[in-house]
Amino acid sequence: GDSVTQMEGPVTLSEEAFLTINCTYTATGYPSLFWYVQYPGEGLQLLLKATKADDKGSNKGFEATYRKETTSFHLEKGSVQVSDSAVYFCALSDAGSGTSYGKLTFGQGTILTVHP
Amino acid sequence: DSGVTQTPKHLITATGQRVTLRCSPRSGDLSVYWYQQSLDQGLQFLIHYYNGEERAKGNILERFSAQQFPDLHSELNLSSLELGDSALYFCASSVGHRGPYGYTFGSGTRLTVV
Repeated sequence: GDSVTQMEGPVTLSEEAFLTINCTYTATGYPSLFWYVQYPGEGLQLLLKATKADDKGSNKGFEATYRKETTSFHLEKGSVQVSDSAVYFCALSDAGSGTSYGKLTFGQGTILTVHP
Repeated sequence: DSGVTQTPKHLITATGQRVTLRCSPRSGDLSVYWYQQSLDQGLQFLIHYYNGEERAKGNILERFSAQQFPDLHSELNLSSLELGDSALYFCASSVGHRGPYGYTFGSGTRLTVV
């Protein structure tokens, strides 16, 4: 079945540091890939997405590139801020599986803490 | 405010009891998805409804059931509750049922079973 593996956290960085959160996936079809962010006490918010190989999703300084050859979708940001502290989830939707197209399969989440 | 409303925000109940969680989707959205977020299992897909019809089931226990009503709100019923059912339950809505591109999550219901 589909699965998503994220790098283990938590990740602690100083403000303005470079961020990478690794994400790899396993899927039978042609998945779309997503990064969601969850701030304390809130629901998940879509951060960025990519729907086909070599697409780059970007938003709020974050970016991730869909790499089919390495089945990866790593999240990067050049200079993190304290306000980026949150839990980040990598997810996939396998539209080719024939089941619910809307279903998301999530990674386990990575807690990011940014210190001033 | 995401536009997806979940009630109640917090719920504390005893083992063996039954509870109902409610989700009102964003205006115009026809799909509702339910997810369970727990420390040991992470985020797990439970069930998907589109315009009143069940479309897919995930890791939903037989003790759990859901439905979507004509006004498109959805309820998740959890019965014979166990300690392990303590979790955050999220719903999400989207316009269609093909691809989660328009997914919007609610802020969740935190269920504590004591």
